[in-house]
Amino acid sequence: DTGVSQDPRHKITKRGQNVTFRCDPISEHNRLYWYRQTLGQGPEFLTYFQNEAQLEKSRLLSDRFSAERPKGSFSTLEIQRTEQGDSAMYLCASSLGTGDGYTFGSGTRLTVV
Amino acid sequence: GNSVTQMEGPVTLSEEAFLTINCTYTATGYPSLFWYVQYPGEGLQLLLKATKADDKGSNKGFEATYRKETTSFHLEKGSVQVSDSAVYFCALSPYNFNKFYFGSGTKLNVKP
Repeated sequence: DTGVSQDPRHKITKRGQNVTFRCDPISEHNRLYWYRQTLGQGPEFLTYFQNEAQLEKSRLLSDRFSAERPKGSFSTLEIQRTEQGDSAMYLCASSLGTGDGYTFGSGTRLTVV
Repeated sequence: GNSVTQMEGPVTLSEEAFLTINCTYTATGYPSLFWYVQYPGEGLQLLLKATKADDKGSNKGFEATYRKETTSFHLEKGSVQVSDSAVYFCALSPYNFNKFYFGSGTKLNVKP
């Protein structure tokens, strides 16, 4: 297990289209997090899962956003009816929740044109 | 509420210079504090952490001390290298580690 994997690395989509990103966490990590990072800013929390349960969602996560983590393994983040303001780097991270910090993936860069 | 403020960059230093990147925080309760580093084209990597007041985190020559009285967690390195050029993020996590609050990042450029 080499770390947190995210797919795709880059996504260009037209405004109004739906997009889905995938995250594969470190296998023994029970917590999985999604963050969004815009240029020149730090990551902002979107949501997190403990196993398959989605325990918290940020107000940033509008009703066009949905995340799932079936069976407590990989996770998907879907954005419906994309808008130009959705252009950002979407980061996934996983952890054991013990305070040792997250392991981040390399992110998916979304560009909405 | 919870928030992190770090000094704006970019910070430009010559190789072997001393580095300080300031970070202050506001938190409810007793958070853990972290520094993450992001090298060009890569994801964020944990650099160091401290979980309680007066703890010192250290890694790869970098150090930061959790100062509760000044609500600070400044990052220091005695002698920077060109390979340290990256963006550095200060972050806090409340006691339950449900989420992190990140600063806006400080870009460090080290010139040979």
